[in-house]
Amino acid sequence: SQQGEEDPQALSIQEGENATMNCSYKTSINNLQWYRQNSGRGLVHLILIRSNEREKHSGRLRVTLDTSKKSSSLLITASRAADTASYFCAPVNQGGKLIFGQGTELSVKP
Amino acid sequence: KAGVTQTPRYLIKTRGQQVTLSCSPISGHRSVSWYQQTPGQGLQFLFEYFSETQRNKGNFPGRFSGRQFSNSRSEMNVSTLELGDSALYLCASLEGGAGISEAFFGQGTRLTVV
Repeated sequence: SQQGEEDPQALSIQEGENATMNCSYKTSINNLQWYRQNSGRGLVHLILIRSNEREKHSGRLRVTLDTSKKSSSLLITASRAADTASYFCAPVNQGGKLIFGQGTELSVKP
Repeated sequence: KAGVTQTPRYLIKTRGQQVTLSCSPISGHRSVSWYQQTPGQGLQFLFEYFSETQRNKGNFPGRFSGRQFSNSRSEMNVSTLELGDSALYLCASLEGGAGISEAFFGQGTRLTVV
């Protein structure tokens, strides 16, 4: 099993701007998942993208996956103050553990 | 469907004591994973149980143990508590394994060791 490395560690933007977070990993995967965590609470699943998919959308979220570069990105468009949270990626092997990196701390200022 | 329920939400224990945390997964989910989250170490994987069997384990000392019951409810136990065990403990419920499904998290148990 492996963990993802999120980049940047922290990101501060104004409301209405787009936020992009990146995730890199080391070995082949079955899928890659993105989660959000509001301060001191449980994680909330955002998107699961499978290894044979290149892009996935969910509302204002867009996730891309490049298996040749072993990287993924999460784009949040038209950010809102409520998007302020930590974002984690988890690259997953078949039957593997869900391992999280340090996350990206996003701050959206009104 | 009811969500993942963790009890208790908050706990204060003294160094040297032991503690048991409980997690009730979503009905029908057979996999439960446990995580420890601290400001310094981030979100660390403790172990995963699937159909009452420990399937995966993280790098934690033997003081950390867990089990899963036939109804999929899981408990984790920490013996001989240390100050460094103060953390938010999260459990995640999955229908299958992490390789095929998303995880649903509880709100966590905030453990403070004094």
